[in-house]
Amino acid sequence: AQSVTQLDSQVPVFEEAPVELRCNYSSSVSVYLFWYVQYPNQGLQLLLKYLSGSTLVKGINGFEAEFNKSQTSFHLRKPSVHISDTAEYFCAVRSGGSNYKLTFGKGTLLTVNP
Amino acid sequence: DSGVTQTPKHLITATGQRVTLRCSPRSGDLSVYWYQQSLDQGLQFLIQYYNGEERAKGNILERFSAQQFPDLHSELNLSSLELGDSALYFCASSVSLLGNSPLHFGNGTRLTVT
Repeated sequence: AQSVTQLDSQVPVFEEAPVELRCNYSSSVSVYLFWYVQYPNQGLQLLLKYLSGSTLVKGINGFEAEFNKSQTSFHLRKPSVHISDTAEYFCAVRSGGSNYKLTFGKGTLLTVNP
Repeated sequence: DSGVTQTPKHLITATGQRVTLRCSPRSGDLSVYWYQQSLDQGLQFLIQYYNGEERAKGNILERFSAQQFPDLHSELNLSSLELGDSALYFCASSVSLLGNSPLHFGNGTRLTVT
């Protein structure tokens, strides 16, 4: 079975500060990893994905994430956040096997303060 | 805009009633997924269809059912509603069943059971 742990339920930061949202996963097979963002009263939007190849993946809105197989982590980072980045961020894993399910973490609420 | 359309946006109904949520996937996507999002349970996978066939089931109650029609739109039927069914219900679609195929989410239907 696959699972995702987002280590921080809330992360408050000041505008223009760097941020890292942590995500660890577990799976018995090869995985594909995703980060989604949910703005208030909206659906989930795909931020970035790791499918294969380079372990550093870049996404929309200046976000990037690094896949670390040995530490089973996929942390999301942004060097300088904006007020508009305030949202809930979800890490998700999907296995490369016949398990079709996309499993989500419980989410991290990023609050960017002026 | 993800291209996934969900209707209605909001639904308020009473306990014991039955409702139908509708989803139109992105053009070209054959797979449809239903998720339930609540404060206590987070994002829970309910069910998945591919080209009209059920492919995976998650934590879906027996009071709930779904189907995917020949035109690929999907409906989620919730019956004998209880207060605890109040949640945000998301539909997502993907091109294929493969794990490296990202899910694209609609904006959800907010169900309130009174």
